[in-house]
Amino acid sequence: EAQVTQNPRYLITVTGKKLTVTCSQNMNHEYMSWYRQDPGLGLRQIYYSMNVEVTDKGDVPEGYKVSRKEKRNFPLILESPSPNQTSLYFCASRLLGGQTGELFFGEGSRLTVL
Amino acid sequence: SQKIEQNSEALNIQEGKTATLTCNYTNYSPAYLQWYRQDPGRGPVFLLLIRENEKEKRKERLKVTFDTTLKQSLFHITASQPADSATYLCALPESGGSYIPTFGRGTSLIVHP
Repeated sequence: EAQVTQNPRYLITVTGKKLTVTCSQNMNHEYMSWYRQDPGLGLRQIYYSMNVEVTDKGDVPEGYKVSRKEKRNFPLILESPSPNQTSLYFCASRLLGGQTGELFFGEGSRLTVL
Repeated sequence: SQKIEQNSEALNIQEGKTATLTCNYTNYSPAYLQWYRQDPGRGPVFLLLIRENEKEKRKERLKVTFDTTLKQSLFHITASQPADSATYLCALPESGGSYIPTFGRGTSLIVHP
């Protein structure tokens, strides 16, 4: 089954404790992206990657890091989480040059930083 | 970059009626526009894509129109059902030729039985 898998789905942590949210896709997609979604603000892109070893900042990259060492994985790293990073996070992937440009989203990771 | 406007107020309609949602954009005209459905706490799911040279696209009970003069897309659900209740997002390329989508904030649709 084609899917984007994120882990953990739920996490409560404390300020300053480094954490990583993993994202993996099994569709051989070149493009992967991270979004955060907050009430009233919609989906905002954090980072994206067009292919292995190619990453770029989205609209709200501050406080986040990513890496793309393998095509299937695109982890999101919060080196020193702060309460304003409490949010619902989505990973997404797509095939570049596909017919519909469809983005496939993961189920989301709800992060709370105390 | 592209600015997208979707009605922030929820749309409440009665089962069986047609729901119509609006997506307006500013700046340049995109090569295509997408619509996604999002259920609470879940990831968005792709529904339809319409290209700039297509005036209308249909898929089962869904119909999307694209008016590049008005810079607007309309999303219709005919014979709506309570199961259609969700938030609907439109998305456009960030800029001409871009693979990076920009999403609207979405409109919540509530279909009452």
